Formats: sequence, C-alpha cells, structure tokens
Amino acid sequence: EVQLVESGGGLVQPGGSLRLSCAASGFTFSDHYMDWVRQAPGKGLEWVGRTRSKANSYTTEYAASVKGRFTISRDDSKNSLYLQMNSLKTEDTAVYYCARAAIMGARFFDHWGQGTLVTVSS
Amino acid sequence: DIVMTQTPLSLSVTPGQPASISCKSGQSLLHSDGKTYLYWYLQKPGQSPQLLIYEVSSRFSGVPDKFSGSGSGTDFTLKISRVEAEDVGVYYCMQGLHLPLTFGGGTKVEIK
Repeated sequence: EVQLVESGGGLVQPGGSLRLSCAASGFTFSDHYMDWVRQAPGKGLEWVGRTRSKANSYTTEYAASVKGRFTISRDDSKNSLYLQMNSLKTEDTAVYYCARAAIMGARFFDHWGQGTLVTVSS
Repeated sequence: DIVMTQTPLSLSVTPGQPASISCKSGQSLLHSDGKTYLYWYLQKPGQSPQLLIYEVSSRFSGVPDKFSGSGSGTDFTLKISRVEAEDVGVYYCMQGLHLPLTFGGGTKVEIK
C-alpha cells in the first residue's frame, strides 16, 4: 500500500524557516517524480513544486510564488522528500501535501499524503 | 499559466439524483501526443484529495462507475449519475499539460 506521511509543520514567524519531510513507503520511491501541493485555510489547491527522479537528474521546478525561497530535495536511500522553506510570509500559511506523480508521464498525482499544517504568524 | 475555471461554485443535490460540474481551461489541453491532460479530484471533508478521473474520462483504480468524465479541448464535465452521502466534498479539476500544474477553484457538493 502506498503511504506518504508528512511531518515538520508548525508555527513560525514571518521571515523564518521551516523544513517539511515526507516519508514514503509501499512503492519504488526512486522511480517517481515527487511534488508538494499546498492549500491555504478554506482555499483551493496550489502546486508548489517538484523534484524529478534520478533518471532525470533530480531537477526541480517551482511555482513563481515560492521560487527563490523554497527548495525541494529528496533522499532516495531514505525514501524521503523534503521542502525547505525560507523567508516565510503570512501567505505561505497552508496545509502542505506531499504528492506522488504518476509514473506515466508525471502529469498528475495518484497518491497524496495527509498533509501538515504550516502557520506563519507573529 | 493555464487558468482553470469551474462552475458552479457549489451544488446541493438530492440523494439519488445526478450532478454535473463544468471545468474550462484557458487553452486547449490536447497534447501533440494525442492525449488530453485533464484530471478530476475529490477532497472529502477533512481528507486529502483523491484522484477520480485521469485524461478526461478514465476512472482511476477503485472509482465507481457512477463517476464519468467527458469533454475535449478546453471544455470538460464531471458527472455523478446518482449522488450519495459519501460523495460530498469539494471537486477539483486540474490540468497536467504544462507546469505549473494548475487547479480549478473547486466545486462544493453537498446533500440536500
């Protein structure tokens, strides 16, 4: 069974940093692109970014709203995905989901974690 | 970025009755490979999103056949043939043609 478990969320002040983790199990993690998607309280879904697989040189892509502030990385030996968030703003407050991109073309997510809440507030 | 627009914002449905949700994209989602990269997700209350439909009309594993997707180019529809209590939540369409992947604003379905 595919499982994605996020952790690391919490309360942080504006300008601060936080690192989220996503532990994956039940599938060959190294084969998949992995993404982060967020959802502000009471709002819709916003794609944050992705890391491609080793076969694609672990390249990353980011939404314009987080580019230069957030960094996505992965450790295939630990079946883990990370999101390093720096220079946090109040508008980054959201539930952050780890999502597995489908193996066929990586154009959608076929499994999601339960999410971890990040609150940016003074 | 490809803008995804869903209507209606919300839907109140009598159990056993059908429901239909529209999704329009700002540009055609037809790729040169012949596939159309439009997806539907359901986010039940308090849960993470779950995939219902991929590539316009293919049901994901385990999704009941009361859910169906249709459309082409820029106009798409999700239909639920008979809405039940377990179908309540927010439905999102998403395009997978280009990064950034973008979602519609969501349609909240509730039971009358």
